[in-house]
Amino acid sequence: AQKITQTQPGMFVQEKEAVTLDCTYDTSDPSYGLFWYKQPSSGEMIFLIYQGSYDQQNATEGRYSLNFQKARKSANLVISASQLGDSAMYFCAMREEGGKLIFGQGTELSVKP
Amino acid sequence: DAGVIQSPRHEVTEMGQEVTLRCKPISGHNSLFWYRQTMMRGLELLIYFNNNVPIDDSGMPEDRFSAKMPNASFSTLKIQPSEPRDSAVYFCATREEGFQETQYFGPGTRLLVL
Repeated sequence: AQKITQTQPGMFVQEKEAVTLDCTYDTSDPSYGLFWYKQPSSGEMIFLIYQGSYDQQNATEGRYSLNFQKARKSANLVISASQLGDSAMYFCAMREEGGKLIFGQGTELSVKP
Repeated sequence: DAGVIQSPRHEVTEMGQEVTLRCKPISGHNSLFWYRQTMMRGLELLIYFNNNVPIDDSGMPEDRFSAKMPNASFSTLKIQPSEPRDSAVYFCATREEGFQETQYFGPGTRLLVL
């Protein structure tokens, strides 16, 4: 069963606009963590933002914020003021018991000048 | 901090040859994870260690794959014999237990088996 679902294989956004990348998850554990990673064309995996299941507030890191809706089991990534350098693959991941990460299939974001 | 170090960055080998991938974790991180990324299967966990002890190797494809962590500073992933379907990017990630437990990834090893 798919535990992390990213329904958008590809997204386009105009430079300086905001964009939301969708992620839904499935777990019965009361304690879990949700992560977003960026993978540019160079291939490295870059950690962007983390949301804990017990966190009351949505996580923010600079231009990145996580729209966490626990009841809907969604953890969407919002990138504000898109830049050309934001063009990359974006992966949502959930930490399972023991610490291993389960990844979604990714969303390829293209920022248009 | 140097981050997670992986070597080699690229490896091209012929089917049947032994391949050894290496990883040096971030100092102080006590958990280490090996992932494989392919177009077909995405990112999948192969094995992970906690305090140098293998905890979960259920993702290791078959007996041709083995991983070791002889000390806190070094881990290897070995494929013997290699096959073309092993061609992928192999990532090592490490984590410090505690706050957030974020995993930090190395640059990956791009493996091509001919």
